[in-house]
Amino acid sequence: GAGVSQSPSNKVTEKGKDVELRCDPISGHTALYWYRQSLGQGLEFLIYFQGNSAPDKSGLPSDRFSAERTGGSVSTLTIQRTQQEDSAVYLCASSASTGFSSNQPQHFGDGTRLSIL
Amino acid sequence: AQSVTQPDIHITVSEGASLELRCNYSYGATPYLFWYVQSPGQGLQLLLKYFSGDTLVQGIKGFEAEFKRSQSSFNLRKPSVHWSDAAEYFCAVGYSGYSTLTFGKGTMLLVSP
Repeated sequence: GAGVSQSPSNKVTEKGKDVELRCDPISGHTALYWYRQSLGQGLEFLIYFQGNSAPDKSGLPSDRFSAERTGGSVSTLTIQRTQQEDSAVYLCASSASTGFSSNQPQHFGDGTRLSIL
Repeated sequence: AQSVTQPDIHITVSEGASLELRCNYSYGATPYLFWYVQSPGQGLQLLLKYFSGDTLVQGIKGFEAEFKRSQSSFNLRKPSVHWSDAAEYFCAVGYSGYSTLTFGKGTMLLVSP
């Protein structure tokens, strides 16, 4: 497709389970970002991938959160031992940024709405 | 550290009235500035961006924004609001040498008939 694709669009799971969220960026975009959006909180940066460089993990809230990007394209965000406070919308974005400047707009997927029971 | 302030959490505007959403950024360097809109259940859509040059930029859906360096502001405007403009609006800033954007907390626009 032409845009950023995220799956699933909704995920409901029990506390303590692991979840995987997938992001398929725009073809050719080297930069990929994950954000968390909680109710009334705006966007919280989680992790950033740029090409083959080591990811910027500075926004991950705990060691239960991890992400990988295979082949410079699809990315998976994994949350282990989910907690109720993990309930949020997880947004993925990609851009043509080279990593030396944030002057390229980010293009967003529609997000995954995660609900922890 | 970079920060973006959107001082209005909610704004209600009558349909057909003009709109201005405020955005202030804090940092000394030349910023790259963006406005995004988010409808319920959707991701963020880029409305417009400012990199350099003319300080008044035009975007999609009839929106415009003006960069005022002296005020560290990048306010979003629309001369006549439509009911379909009801959504949440996010301002974001980036800088040369930084790979990520900093987003404001958003302003929810409500449009009354």
